[in-house]
Amino acid sequence: AQKVTQAQTEISVVEKEDVTLDCVYETRDTTYYLFWYKQPPSGELVFLIRRNSFDEQNEISGRYSWNFQKSTSSFNFTITASQVVDSAVYFCALSGAMEYGNKLVFGAGTILRVKS
Amino acid sequence: NAGVTQTPKFRVLKTGQSMTLLCAQDMNHEYMYWYRQDPGMGLRLIHYSVGEGTTAKGEVPDGYNVSRLKKQNFLLGLESAAPSQTSVYFCASSYELGYGYTFGSGTRLTVV
Repeated sequence: AQKVTQAQTEISVVEKEDVTLDCVYETRDTTYYLFWYKQPPSGELVFLIRRNSFDEQNEISGRYSWNFQKSTSSFNFTITASQVVDSAVYFCALSGAMEYGNKLVFGAGTILRVKS
Repeated sequence: NAGVTQTPKFRVLKTGQSMTLLCAQDMNHEYMYWYRQDPGMGLRLIHYSVGEGTTAKGEVPDGYNVSRLKKQNFLLGLESAAPSQTSVYFCASSYELGYGYTFGSGTRLTVV
């Protein structure tokens, strides 16, 4: 069975602080895909990144960066110099290549509050 | 606008009533999904479809039925609504294995 754990239920930071959101996953598949989604207060789900299990390179996109470590089964997400607009719920998700139907398993989400 | 459209956006039902949520996508995606979102539980898969005419159960299918008569549409039905089905429902579609989802804007359902 596949599982995603986001142990941080809620994080509060002050604007311009750096913040890291943790994601730990479990899967028996050797080929799998990891995702991060953002859900702002308006409620829609916004795709942020997709990473396959064979690509362990870290990725940076503006103030966002992702650290994928297969050795610890983690796919952490860092926001540098946080802004109020980063306030949202962030979900980590996993799908396995052997999982029929490309089903995504989501973590419980981390609520990020950025205060000005 | 290309994407996934859900209707309605809000609905209040009385216990025992029935309703159908409609999801439509115009991206020619094969895979479609219905999830529910509850506080502290993330998104949980209700039912999904890997193509026109197919449906399959997800993690929490009880109390729901689905149909995919046309590739672009995926309907979620509640035959006899219960307060435990109060939730936000998201429809999503996907191109193929390993691709992320495009989500609809959600339906907030309250069962009283």
